[in-house]
Amino acid sequence: AQSVTQPDIHITVSEGASLELRCNYSYGATPYLFWYVQSPGQGLQLLLKYFSGDTLVQGIKGFEAEFKRSQSSFNLRKPSVHWSDAAEYFCAVTSYDKVIFGPGTSLSVIP
Amino acid sequence: DVKVTQSSRYLVKRTGEKVFLECVQDMDHENMFWYRQDPGLGLRLIYFSYDVKMKEKGDIPEGYSVSREKKERFSLILESASTNQTSMYLCASSFARVRYEQYFGPGTRLTVT
Repeated sequence: AQSVTQPDIHITVSEGASLELRCNYSYGATPYLFWYVQSPGQGLQLLLKYFSGDTLVQGIKGFEAEFKRSQSSFNLRKPSVHWSDAAEYFCAVTSYDKVIFGPGTSLSVIP
Repeated sequence: DVKVTQSSRYLVKRTGEKVFLECVQDMDHENMFWYRQDPGLGLRLIYFSYDVKMKEKGDIPEGYSVSREKKERFSLILESASTNQTSMYLCASSFARVRYEQYFGPGTRLTVT
């Protein structure tokens, strides 16, 4: 069955430091891949998506993600984290006609 | 901007009550979805609808039903609420041609006591 794993339940970084959130998926073909962000008390907002083509995709708020087929990964990165980036981040993959979400990674930012 | 609204941000109900969660989208999206969000489990699909009066079961439909009488509105119904249905409920919508690109409402945190 298709699945999405996010190995880090919680990550803490200092403001201004770089960030990488990990995502691995299990899927028979090349899926569509997504990263969503959920700020406290809010719904999910789409950060970026990968359908095909260039494996490095740019998203909103300065985020980017790289699709690596050989590693079945789609890690999210940001070169310099801002305090407002503190949130829950979800990786997601399509599975036939549904979207499968990972368990989420909670990001805390230290001033 | 796409706007998905949910009728309540917080709701407290008693065991056995019938509960209605309402969701409205203003972008003429064909598809609408109800998810349940629990810590460590991510989002799990309860039901979705790809057209008025149409519905499909998701991964965890037990104990829930849905109604879609108008294109912009999708209701989640808990026929007899139980404590294990205490959770955050998220509604989402999307265009049929880009069904994977979903737009989410702010969520309803339901507590069943």
